[in-house]
Amino acid sequence: GDSVTQMEGPVTLSEEAFLTINCTYTATGYPSLFWYVQYPGEGLQLLLKATKADDKGSNKGFEATYRKETTSFHLEKGSVQVSDSAVYFCALSDPGNNRLAFGKGNQVVVIP
Amino acid sequence: DAGVIQSPRHEVTEMGQEVTLRCKPISGHNSLFWYRQTMMRGLELLIYFNNNVPIDDSGMPEDRFSAKMPNASFSTLKIQPSEPRDSAVYFCASSSSGLALTDTQYFGPGTRLTVL
Repeated sequence: GDSVTQMEGPVTLSEEAFLTINCTYTATGYPSLFWYVQYPGEGLQLLLKATKADDKGSNKGFEATYRKETTSFHLEKGSVQVSDSAVYFCALSDPGNNRLAFGKGNQVVVIP
Repeated sequence: DAGVIQSPRHEVTEMGQEVTLRCKPISGHNSLFWYRQTMMRGLELLIYFNNNVPIDDSGMPEDRFSAKMPNASFSTLKIQPSEPRDSAVYFCASSSSGLALTDTQYFGPGTRLTVL
């Protein structure tokens, strides 16, 4: 079935460092891919999305490219800020079978 | 717009009691989703509705859980009887997508449920 896999464990890094969070997926059809962010005490909110292969989603300095050949949608930011500390979820929706799948999320902690 | 509204924000109850969580989606959205978030299992989709009709409830853990959407502006998730393992944060989300589920979901702030 459809699934999303995110790298294990929290990510701790210093301000202005480069951030990468890996996301790979398994899907039977042609899914749309999303990154959601959850700030402490809040619900999830959409960060960016891509609906077809080779599309690049971008927002607030974050980017992710839909790579069909490697079934990946890695999230990157060139220079993180303390305010980027949050939990980041990779997700897919597969219109072929009406399924939604979220990854387990990655806690990102940015230290001043 | 006020966004997705959930109530209560926090609920503490004793094992065996009935719990009802409420959600008001964004006006005009036709899809509504209920999720559960725990440290152990992450974010799980429990059920979703499209145009007030339940489309997929395969994520509902067991018969103790039930969800209704009597109209386009209100949904409930009920647990009866509640158990300590139901303790989690429950999120409601809505979107303007149809059955394709490709549109952005807008999440509410969640209800933190603690069952003692």
